[in-house]
Amino acid sequence: GAGVSQTPSNKVTEKGKYVELRCDPISGHTALYWYRQSLGQGPEFLIYFQGTGAADDSGLPNDRFFAVRPEGSVSTLKIQRTERGDSAVYLCASSLFGGSEQYFGPGTRLTVT
Amino acid sequence: SQQGEEDPQALSIQEGENATMNCSYKTSINNLQWYRQNSGRGLVHLILIRSNEREKHSGRLRVTLDTSKKSSSLLITASRAADTASYFCATDLNQAGTALIFGKGTTLSVSS
Repeated sequence: GAGVSQTPSNKVTEKGKYVELRCDPISGHTALYWYRQSLGQGPEFLIYFQGTGAADDSGLPNDRFFAVRPEGSVSTLKIQRTERGDSAVYLCASSLFGGSEQYFGPGTRLTVT
Repeated sequence: SQQGEEDPQALSIQEGENATMNCSYKTSINNLQWYRQNSGRGLVHLILIRSNEREKHSGRLRVTLDTSKKSSSLLITASRAADTASYFCATDLNQAGTALIFGKGTTLSVSS
């Protein structure tokens, strides 16, 4: 594909609801990353996939956050029982292999009301 | 916690002037990268410099790395209004380089 795409671009949800954010990486990229960016801050690492497996999930803030990449391409970030503090831009990136240059998507702006 | 710290937090210059942004980090790294972000979305990779490199150029960009001081600088020469954006440095969070840790960024405003 032309680049990393993310859907939806914006998501507004009520506190306590469940949300799913989708990431389509660049075709052929084996590594996929999720980051979260709060207003006025730099992106914060959440999780890294190599192929289908989560190789590093040390950045996930708590067990309400979960991500999958079942076929080694598209990934979904899932947030249960959303809280207002989860409001942020969620960025996805992919790279040819783990540790190589990361290409970022446009992000999904999540607002929890 | 954030490893990189950019300085200054904000920078305003006129078109044609040069812009210099600095980044300091705390632990040893494999490489350091600079990214640009417009309107709070979509980071664009600018340049990667490895720990054994001291200087790297890409078009109007010049990056230096001083591992003894744990610092890097990004120089944009002959700035343009289109360079207005936030600039972030990013370093490896782990040895594999599979997670990046970003600073808070420098917001650059270039006026015509």
